Amino acid sequence: EVQLVESGGGLVQPGGSLRLSCAASGFTFSNYWMSWVRQAPGKGLEWVANIKQDGSEKYYVDSVKGRFTISRDNAKNSLYLQMNSLRAEDTAIYYCARVWGGYSSGWYPFDYWGQGTLVTVSS
Amino acid sequence: DIQMTQSPSTLSASVGDRVTITCRASQSLSSWLAWYQQKPRKAPKLLIYKASSLESGVPSRFSGSGSGTEFTLTISSLQPDDSATYYCQQYSTYWTFGQGTKVEIK
Repeated sequence: EVQLVESGGGLVQPGGSLRLSCAASGFTFSNYWMSWVRQAPGKGLEWVANIKQDGSEKYYVDSVKGRFTISRDNAKNSLYLQMNSLRAEDTAIYYCARVWGGYSSGWYPFDYWGQGTLVTVSS
Repeated sequence: DIQMTQSPSTLSASVGDRVTITCRASQSLSSWLAWYQQKPRKAPKLLIYKASSLESGVPSRFSGSGSGTEFTLTISSLQPDDSATYYCQQYSTYWTFGQGTKVEIK
């Protein structure tokens, strides 16, 4: 059974940093692109970042470029999101998701999602 | 950037009704469009990919159609368990979600 479990969320002050983790199990993690998606309270879904199987390609939504870094450790079956210079508008539930198919191209939807971890940016 | 616009934002229908949600893209996606269902306090669930392909395990009352810039998600006979918010997502150029359509049962 595919499982994705996020951790690392919490309350942080504006300008602060936080590192989210996603532990994957039930599939060969190194075969899949992975993604972070967020959802502000009461709002819709927003894609944040994607990373290729070997970490050689990374993509970000414009609003987090230069502040967030996606990374992975295939030996630990783990995905990460380093978030710096956090702003109030970054407050959201952050979901880890697997990109469908396991292909070398990442242009596919997201077939498995974790339950999310809440990040609150507030003074 | 590709913008995705869903309509309506909310809809209320009775059990057994046929329900249709529309998603429009700001530029052509070919068929690179997916639909998700999200229930309160739950993660989204993939329903449809490549505009009309049903994800494994998804009930056959869900169907998708369209190509280019206009797409639809249809629930052929609405069930109580279908009460949720539905999102379209383009994956032609990066990944963008629509704003969501909340489906309520009358």
